[in-house]
Amino acid sequence: DAGITQSPRHKVTETGTPVTLRCHQTENHRYMYWYRQDPGHGLRLIHYSYGVKDTDKGEVSDGYSVSRSKTEDFLLTLESATSSQTSVYFCAISSDRDARQPQHFGDGTRLSIL
Amino acid sequence: AQKVTQAQTEISVVEKEDVTLDCVYETRDTTYYLFWYKQPPSGELVFLIRRNSFDEQNEISGRYSWNFQKSTSSFNFTITASQVVDSAVYFCALSEEYRGSTLGRLYFGRGTQLTVWP
Repeated sequence: DAGITQSPRHKVTETGTPVTLRCHQTENHRYMYWYRQDPGHGLRLIHYSYGVKDTDKGEVSDGYSVSRSKTEDFLLTLESATSSQTSVYFCAISSDRDARQPQHFGDGTRLSIL
Repeated sequence: AQKVTQAQTEISVVEKEDVTLDCVYETRDTTYYLFWYKQPPSGELVFLIRRNSFDEQNEISGRYSWNFQKSTSSFNFTITASQVVDSAVYFCALSEEYRGSTLGRLYFGRGTQLTVWP
């Protein structure tokens, strides 16, 4: 199994609070991704990173920011959480930008915003 | 518009039946990759297969087989002699060749919930 650890695995918080999710990898892969999974939508890309300090937006990036100060860590921050951000969040990693290698996913973080 | 369409939201079969999960994709790129992932009730996403757009050979892996047809933009997944352990949500996904800022991102279908009854 790919060495991907997401933390926390579960979190419940209140609207308006900041939340940071962490993705840690031990594979030394260059590319990292954050997706959210919602019923009826499959998985949708929030942000991705193509190297240390190199990040870009995905299709559902509003309300989220990311940072990558080290190859192994990719942080997803909700500056002021809203109930619409209740979701399951998955981190993925890939060694190849052209997707010739499949992305491997972490076990997910279940986030509830009350 | 959805780049990946999985029209079957839920499928129920009885153990030992064969079942086919449909996936239709849309892309203008000539080079692209198609994937299937399995998400069992425990929630993790498990990679099953990757195909590139230049390889239309069907593939078989044990009870699993995949039928890739560019003419119909389909990449269907068949489970032969289904088992209860096959119960899961199955996702089809598309990745287009790097262009601009796409950088290998995956476009997922909405998933098909497969339930196999004993």
